[in-house]
Amino acid sequence: ETGVTQSPTHLIKTRGQQVTLRCSSQSGHNTVSWYQQALGQGPQFIFQYYREEENGRGNFPPRFSGLQFPNYSSELNVNALELDDSALYLCASTQGQHYEQYFGPGTRLTVT
Amino acid sequence: GQSLEQPSEVTAVEGAIVQINCTYQTSGFYGLSWYQQHDGGAPTFLSYNALDGLEETGRFSSFLSRSDSYGYLLLQELQMKDSASYFCAVHNNAGNMLTFGGGTRLMVKP
Repeated sequence: ETGVTQSPTHLIKTRGQQVTLRCSSQSGHNTVSWYQQALGQGPQFIFQYYREEENGRGNFPPRFSGLQFPNYSSELNVNALELDDSALYLCASTQGQHYEQYFGPGTRLTVT
Repeated sequence: GQSLEQPSEVTAVEGAIVQINCTYQTSGFYGLSWYQQHDGGAPTFLSYNALDGLEETGRFSSFLSRSDSYGYLLLQELQMKDSASYFCAVHNNAGNMLTFGGGTRLMVKP
């Protein structure tokens, strides 16, 4: 167990809708990263938050946005859902810029 | 941009040794990590190399050659529970934003 939790576990949405995924990091972990993992592929970096500010972003459009809160929780928001957004969404937390990231179990999003 | 190459599948028998290679092309490099992911599970950290050489952690070892843009994960005394996907991941110059390879699916047979 990594101490990182995510909710919900599974989610089904319709194309064009909006979704919010949640992550609760380990206490004291002030850095959280979000990844998208398509079936059979490696995780792709979406963005990272450090002390509630975006600290880096991967090659994802602006309809992917996030928030980090002082209580070590964070959110990933996706607007105007597309079929290709169907994937496992993982959050990972760490302390500062430490190399070891602790992943949550993920949210499986299906867009129909 | 960044790209990582690793074999898609490897099969080995229980008790054997297996090496999973990873080559990378990056615009910035800070270190190489390895993660294990069982089906339906979350990636879990195995090892990290920032400098050339071998890092050993129990049955698992990881090697890095920065000049060759190459690393490998070595798994010894394979057990059935080692059947999983293994990902190499490059840390960019900012240190902690990971670019993952496509993963190597390891199947351990009795």
